[in-house]
Amino acid sequence: QSVLTQPASVSGSPGQSITISCSGSSDDVGGYVFVSWYQQHPGKVPRLLIYDFKSRPSGVSARFSGSKSGNTASLTISGLQPEDEAQYYCSSYTATSTWVFGGGTTVTVL
Amino acid sequence: QITLKESGPTLVKPTQTLTLSCTLSGFSFSTSEVGVGWVRQPPGKAPEWLAIIYWNNDKRYSPSLKSRLTITKGNSADQVVLTVANMDPVDAGTYYCVHSTSATGDGLDVWGQGATVTVSS
Repeated sequence: QSVLTQPASVSGSPGQSITISCSGSSDDVGGYVFVSWYQQHPGKVPRLLIYDFKSRPSGVSARFSGSKSGNTASLTISGLQPEDEAQYYCSSYTATSTWVFGGGTTVTVL
Repeated sequence: QITLKESGPTLVKPTQTLTLSCTLSGFSFSTSEVGVGWVRQPPGKAPEWLAIIYWNNDKRYSPSLKSRLTITKGNSADQVVLTVANMDPVDAGTYYCVHSTSATGDGLDVWGQGATVTVSS
């Protein structure tokens, strides 16, 4: 069982916005800015979308945004597009100086 | 362009030790604030963070697997090696070599293509 809790699935229609939550504790999400989000299409390698809970690496669309409040981080996808259909994972630095992943969220574009 | 390439056995027997190598290119591991680590992913499941070694040889291990993992810099400057002792069928999956840097908050910004490992007698 993952330390970070994500909803199993989230869906939305094209053009809509959706938000994926990532709940942890003060020993991980709540205690550090080092929260990352990854996108993984079937059969592909995970791709970094967000780091430091809200920063985007170069090349990542501005439609992806991150936020954090207390022990919960969130990833928002705006203007949902068919190619956004994928698995999304959060990850956080922890009090043991290691990292943990969430259980993953399947995003479906209706 | 930073690339990582994993290599190692595709099949190991239960109780054996798995040794995976990661060949790095496109960056210097002596660069400050750089780390190279390993993440594994069982089929159909979430990734699991395993270990990381930093440019200064500092090492971190997943608490739940610490007793079975060893991460080291290889014999050449462009190699990182992970060993997993006492392999079990639940350890099967894709093992990814990953790059991190403080420039991206230690997020895993580059992933190798992955090495698929099966554990069976």
